[in-house]
Amino acid sequence: KQEVTQIPAALSVPEGENLVLNCSFTDSAIYNLQWFRQDPGKGLTSLLLIQSSQREQTSGRLNASLDKSSGRSTLYIAASQPGDSATYLCAVQGVTGANSKLTFGKGITLSVRP
Amino acid sequence: DTEVTQTPKHLVMGMTNKKSLKCEQHMGHRAMYWYKQKAKKPPELMFVYSYEKLSINESVPSRFSPECPNSSLLNLHLHALQPEDSALYLCASSPWGSPLHFGNGTRLTVT
Repeated sequence: KQEVTQIPAALSVPEGENLVLNCSFTDSAIYNLQWFRQDPGKGLTSLLLIQSSQREQTSGRLNASLDKSSGRSTLYIAASQPGDSATYLCAVQGVTGANSKLTFGKGITLSVRP
Repeated sequence: DTEVTQTPKHLVMGMTNKKSLKCEQHMGHRAMYWYKQKAKKPPELMFVYSYEKLSINESVPSRFSPECPNSSLLNLHLHALQPEDSALYLCASSPWGSPLHFGNGTRLTVT
């Protein structure tokens, strides 16, 4: 059974810092890995998706990497801003087809202090 | 703004009520999902529809009844719920094997 771990559960940093959020998963047989952002009381916004054959994806100040063999992904946020404060969830999709479910980590709640 | 629209945004219902949650997307996605999320927990999959057919039911109690009347709409019918069913209910859609797009959810409170 796939398990996804995100540590720490919460992180507080001053504005302007570059930071790395970590995600680990137990079964390397994945179809893809997604990073989501969730603001309080809201739905999930997809930030980046990395297919199993890819190593990284970039969007603006965000860069996500994937090391399938070691079961790890990182989300790099450059020059953090107070608006980046949110919960960041990592989710992996298995290889049993497009309908295979996403397994989510518990998320990292990020607070960026002005 | 999200391209997956969920209504209502908030719902309060008694344990004897019958209500429905609605989800709509016009992106041509053929897979649609219902998730349940409790406070400070990750979303938990409930149901998956592919091409308007139920393909996954994660052993959800029968008091939750999904329906996919067409490729753009997904409903979740609620009946005889319990207070512990109070949660954020999220709908999502995706093209085949591609990123999920989530709605903003319905905040359900069962009294």
